[in-house]
Amino acid sequence: QKEVEQDPGPLSVPEGAIVSLNCTYSNSAFQYFMWYRQYSRKGPELLMYTYSSGNKEDGRFTAQVDKSSKYISLFIRDSQPSDSATYLCAAERNAGNMLTFGGGTRLMVKP
Amino acid sequence: DTGVSQDPRHKITKRGQNVTFRCDPISEHNRLYWYRQTLGQGPEFLTYFQNEAQLEKSRLLSDRFSAERPKGSFSTLEIQRTEQGDSAMYLCASSWDSGQETQYFGPGTRLLVL
Repeated sequence: QKEVEQDPGPLSVPEGAIVSLNCTYSNSAFQYFMWYRQYSRKGPELLMYTYSSGNKEDGRFTAQVDKSSKYISLFIRDSQPSDSATYLCAAERNAGNMLTFGGGTRLMVKP
Repeated sequence: DTGVSQDPRHKITKRGQNVTFRCDPISEHNRLYWYRQTLGQGPEFLTYFQNEAQLEKSRLLSDRFSAERPKGSFSTLEIQRTEQGDSAMYLCASSWDSGQETQYFGPGTRLLVL
């Protein structure tokens, strides 16, 4: 079993929809959680970085972490075709150590 | 300096050949990481450096793989006697040791072993 799990999708939504992307993890030692966006054949781009449980909002993006259920979420409001990409969640035990990634969820936003 | 750079962006080689990749981190970053990503999967950690010291290596990093960061700036990843299973995207990331250490990724080097 992988330490971080994601539904691979693809997830297809119409433009303007609210998108919910989710991950679960098994390692209780994880304290820092990230969401990266990766376009085809490009490197991952950091979207959100959170520490421990709680919510963090940045523009159209909201990240939620629930450590009690080991559940990580990313919400995208007013989704755009340019949001079409693979979304990777990641976790780490201590700041600056290795990241453990989920397998990624492919999102398609249709105009 | 606008980000992490990697060279080459693409490499095609024959099985058994040696290949070397280079990563230049964001200039003020003292930590540098290597990951490997296969198609349809998330990146997997290989190794990381703080300055010139290699602090951790994954069990994925077999003895055919070696990474260096001789002066604490750029890093190289060498794969000796390549195998078809080495075909993947090799990603480099860097961060600053500040307590909240966001890792910024480069564009990757895509390796194809024939």
